[in-house]
Amino acid sequence: ETGVTQSPTHLIKTRGQQVTLRCSSQSGHNTVSWYQQALGQGPQFIFQYYREEENGRGNFPPRFSGLQFPNYSSELNVNALELDDSALYLCASSSPARRAGVQFFGPGTRLTVL
Amino acid sequence: AQRVTQPEKLLSVFKGAPVELKCNYSYSGSPELFWYVQYSRQRLQLLLRHISRESIKGFTADLNKGETSFHLKKPFAQEEDSAMYYCALREMNRDDKIIFGKGTRLHILP
Repeated sequence: ETGVTQSPTHLIKTRGQQVTLRCSSQSGHNTVSWYQQALGQGPQFIFQYYREEENGRGNFPPRFSGLQFPNYSSELNVNALELDDSALYLCASSSPARRAGVQFFGPGTRLTVL
Repeated sequence: AQRVTQPEKLLSVFKGAPVELKCNYSYSGSPELFWYVQYSRQRLQLLLRHISRESIKGFTADLNKGETSFHLKKPFAQEEDSAMYYCALREMNRDDKIIFGKGTRLHILP
């Protein structure tokens, strides 16, 4: 069973730029959730994708957007980067039909905005 | 609004002593509660969920709806328990959105 993978591991951008983060879900999982984890905080829910449709969104502005592909992999896009967007971005996959609420996390992408 | 509160940022406990990590939640419906753990240099992973009512690595947690709490307990701490622990909540029968607390760092002293 292949675990959740994320790319890139680290990324440095400047304010105003755009960034795309990628996630491959665990084998057999059709749901992907994205979280932002600022330093010293717990993961904060951004949004979730199920069968290529957004299925729930947290308190994040529209410049945070996403996609899910037919193979269930996913992208998180952030436009007009701000300094406060610097954080660890976590992707988690799950299979609600099997074990609802149990999420398997990737190692994260560390984004630094200068 | 759903909220998960972990009042302690850091908890230091001697090896062999009992451990209790506190978690309180606010939610008007029927929640599902979890504990996730992150060991050093590892990814975040599920420790246990209240629905399973199981003991994992000696840890247990009981959902107390009257006190809206889901404290994590272990009778005898081990050095390998040192990690970051997150309490989390999911609304039952809804999407898989998880609300996390800010986490408690458990440090086991030798």
